[in-house]
Formats: sequence, C-alpha cells, structure tokens
Amino acid sequence: DAKTTQPNSMESNEEEPVHLPCNHSTISGTDYIHWYRQLPSQGPEYVIHGLTSNVNNRMASLAIAEDRKSSTLILHRATLRDAAVYYCILSPGNMLTFGGGTRLMVKP
Amino acid sequence: DAGVIQSPRHEVTEMGQEVTLRCKPISGHDYLFWYRQTMMRGLELLIYFNNNVPIDDSGMPEDRFSAKMPNASFSTLKIQPSEPRDSAVYFCASNRGNTEAFFGQGTRLTVV
Repeated sequence: DAKTTQPNSMESNEEEPVHLPCNHSTISGTDYIHWYRQLPSQGPEYVIHGLTSNVNNRMASLAIAEDRKSSTLILHRATLRDAAVYYCILSPGNMLTFGGGTRLMVKP
Repeated sequence: DAGVIQSPRHEVTEMGQEVTLRCKPISGHDYLFWYRQTMMRGLELLIYFNNNVPIDDSGMPEDRFSAKMPNASFSTLKIQPSEPRDSAVYFCASNRGNTEAFFGQGTRLTVV
C-alpha cells in the first residue's frame, strides 16, 4: 500500500487558516487522496477527497501538487470544533488504511 | 437516516467470555467495514464486506475473531474467547460504491 507521511501534531489559532500537509511520494495513478478527521470520542468523519485537481467543499479545500506526491488540506478559518486528528489516506477504492494522522490543536 | 448504528456503546466482559458487537449500516450502502482502534496500533481495518460477502479479512487478528453479515442491514463481529488485549474501540463504517464512508459511534470494549 502507498504510504503517507504527516506531522504528528500542529497548532493553530482560532479563526486563522490552517494548512495540513501530507506527503505521498509513492502514490500510484489510481490512488485517490482522502482526508478524514476524528473528533474526540467519535468515529472518523469524511472531510474531502480528490484525484488530480484541487477540490473545495463546505468543510475544507484540498490542494494537490502537480506531481501528486504531496497534498495539503486547508481549513479556511479554524474553529475550536476543528480540533481533531486529521488523517490523509491513499486508496484506489473503498479500502481505507489509516496512519497516525496529525493532531490539530486550536487555541482560542 | 440515523447513520451507522452500533451496539452496545460500551461492553465490559470477563476474559474468556464471548462478545458480540453489532452494526446496522446506512440503508442502501453496499460496503461495510469493521475497524479496531487502540492507542498503540491506531485504527486498523479488520474486515470488509461488499453486498454481504466478506471481501478482505486479512486484518482479522486471529481465529478468535469472526464477522458475519447475514443481510444488508446487519453485521456482527464476534470474539470468542475474549482476552484483555482485545480491549479497544471497535468501529463499523459503511458506504455506497466509491463514496465517502460513514462511521458509527463505536463500541468501547473492556475485557477484564
């Protein structure tokens, strides 16, 4: 399986943008880039996913490098509720294999 | 839809007892996944089903673990006999085709 590398933790101030990086140098042509997050004491929840082009939805934006070897999840205005573990996952289909993720802490 | 429903939310059992975890996926979803989460190992995929058929069970830790999906609206994960090292939070998830997966709230299992 193609692996991803994420920082263990990041800190942000409330109402500021947050850029969460993910490296995936061994990505294959059929791998989608998925982002999920896990709030404390909850199951993971979907954030966004993409293949080649940048993607936007109501929660976040996903910026994908031209060579697809890295991507960045962008939260445009962090709130306290965005404090969670964010997982970057590569998968050509349905099977999601979670790594360690990035623990995002948001300071008021 | 109420989302993916897991029961029980918490289970405490003695070592050696049989434990059954239950999952009701979202109606219309054709994929169902079982995950286990511990501090040491993170989120691990145990098994997944497509149209009620097990597709990949390579993550099931050992023969003490078994999973079934008798119909599209119900799945069970059974541990027999349970051991303290099985203590974890077990998540069930479902999706339709290659779309976003929805996770349940999890079952926190403690084996003493």
